Amino acid sequence: ILNVEQSPQSLHVQEGDSTNFTCSFPSSNFYALHWYRWETAKSPEALFVMTLNGDEKKKGRISATLNTKEGYSYLYIKGSQPEDSATYLCAFSGAGNMLTFGGGTRLMVKP
Amino acid sequence: EAEVAQSPRYKITEKSQAVAFWCDPISGHATLYWYRQILGQGPELLVQFQDESVVDDSQLPKDRFSAERLKGVDSTLKIQPAELGDSAMYLCASSRDQGFGAYSYEQYFGPGTRLTVT
Repeated sequence: ILNVEQSPQSLHVQEGDSTNFTCSFPSSNFYALHWYRWETAKSPEALFVMTLNGDEKKKGRISATLNTKEGYSYLYIKGSQPEDSATYLCAFSGAGNMLTFGGGTRLMVKP
Repeated sequence: EAEVAQSPRYKITEKSQAVAFWCDPISGHATLYWYRQILGQGPELLVQFQDESVVDDSQLPKDRFSAERLKGVDSTLKIQPAELGDSAMYLCASSRDQGFGAYSYEQYFGPGTRLTVT
């Protein structure tokens, strides 16, 4: 059984704060690491698919880094806005495109 | 923009009853997935289809759950009989293909069906 862990479980920040979350995953048999944003009552939305050690990806105010040798990825949000409030999921991808998800980090941004 | 469709969005049923969920993937996507997400946990893969064939159903409780994708397009997940512990969000996702070697295809998710068993 693959162990994918996310921390913290939940986070409350003020509008304008920058924040980051951690995803740890097995460093063996690695194919890809996915980040999703899941807003209440909506579909999980793909943010990044990361495959190479040292990868850094950016989408607006959100960025992510990947370390496959030590088995972790960080997601950063710069200048959090209330619309960033969501659950952020990471998922480890093994052979056959099968995803193993972490438990998620629930972010709440207060205006 | 193409989306994965799921219905119903919400379902309340009594234990021991049968329930069914439907998923229509993005057109042309060969791979379809059903996940279950229990509150406070991440989604867990129940079954993966490649076209009409099951690729993996190792986490599907086969005594009460069944899934089919008869024509390799839309899919149905059934629970009979439902138990209290089945209360969860059931998510369907699709991807262009199942991935080969180091290549990983992006999975697109539907909005899910929230099941409550009373």
